[in-house]
Amino acid sequence: KAGVTQTPRYLIKTRGQQVTLSCSPISGHRSVSWYQQTPGQGLQFLFEYFSETQRNKGNFPGRFSGRQFSNSRSEMNVSTLELGDSALYLCASSRRLAGGERSTDTQYFGPGTRLTVL
Amino acid sequence: QKEVEQDPGPLSVPEGAIVSLNCTYSNSAFQYFMWYRQYSRKGPELLMYTYSSGNKEDGRFTAQVDKSSKYISLFIRDSQPSDSATYLCAMSAGGGSARQLTFGSGTQLTVLP
Repeated sequence: KAGVTQTPRYLIKTRGQQVTLSCSPISGHRSVSWYQQTPGQGLQFLFEYFSETQRNKGNFPGRFSGRQFSNSRSEMNVSTLELGDSALYLCASSRRLAGGERSTDTQYFGPGTRLTVL
Repeated sequence: QKEVEQDPGPLSVPEGAIVSLNCTYSNSAFQYFMWYRQYSRKGPELLMYTYSSGNKEDGRFTAQVDKSSKYISLFIRDSQPSDSATYLCAMSAGGGSARQLTFGSGTQLTVLP
C-alpha cells in the first residue's frame, strides 16, 4: 500500500509570497493533519481535516490555512510568507474510525515539504 | 514549561547496548502515547503506539507508559547502527483531539559499530 505522498518536496520562496503544499493520504485514510517542524520549536500541530472540514487547529496565525477535497487529498496554504516560516511541513493521515478504535487510529507521516523563505 | 519534555539530550551508545529514552508530560488528558523514529531528511516513522498505561513489546522495542507519574519510556534492546536516528515521543488526548499530537523535542541517538 502506498504511503502518504507530499508535493513538492522542496520549495524556495521569498518573503511576502504565498505557497500551496499538497498531501495525498494513504488509501482509505480520511483524516489529514499538518505539522510544522523547525529546529527551534520542533514538531507543532497546525490543523486536522476530516470530511472536508477543519476539526482541530493549532496555535498558528491565520496566514496558515488548509482545505480537504472529497477524495481526502489536502492542501495547505501559507500567505504573506515570513522568514520564520522556513520549515519542514509534514502531513499525516489516519483512518479516524467512528468511535475512535484505539488500536488503529494512528497517524502515518509523509516525507514532508521543505520550505525555504528568503 | 512545555507540555512534553523529552530527556536525555544527544545520546551515543555502542552497538548491542540497551537504550532507554524517556519523556514526561504535564497534561493529564493525554491518553494516547507514541514513539516515532525520524531519519535525517525524512518524515517520522511510527514505532510504537500505546493507549493508556502499560507495556507494549514489538521485537527489540518496548514501550512503557506510567500515567500516574506522567512518564513514558522506550527501550531498544541489542541496538544496531541502523537505529541511529532521532526518536520523538508524541501524545494526544482522546475524542476529537486524538489526532492532535504534541511532540517532545526529540532525542538524537547514535549507535556506534
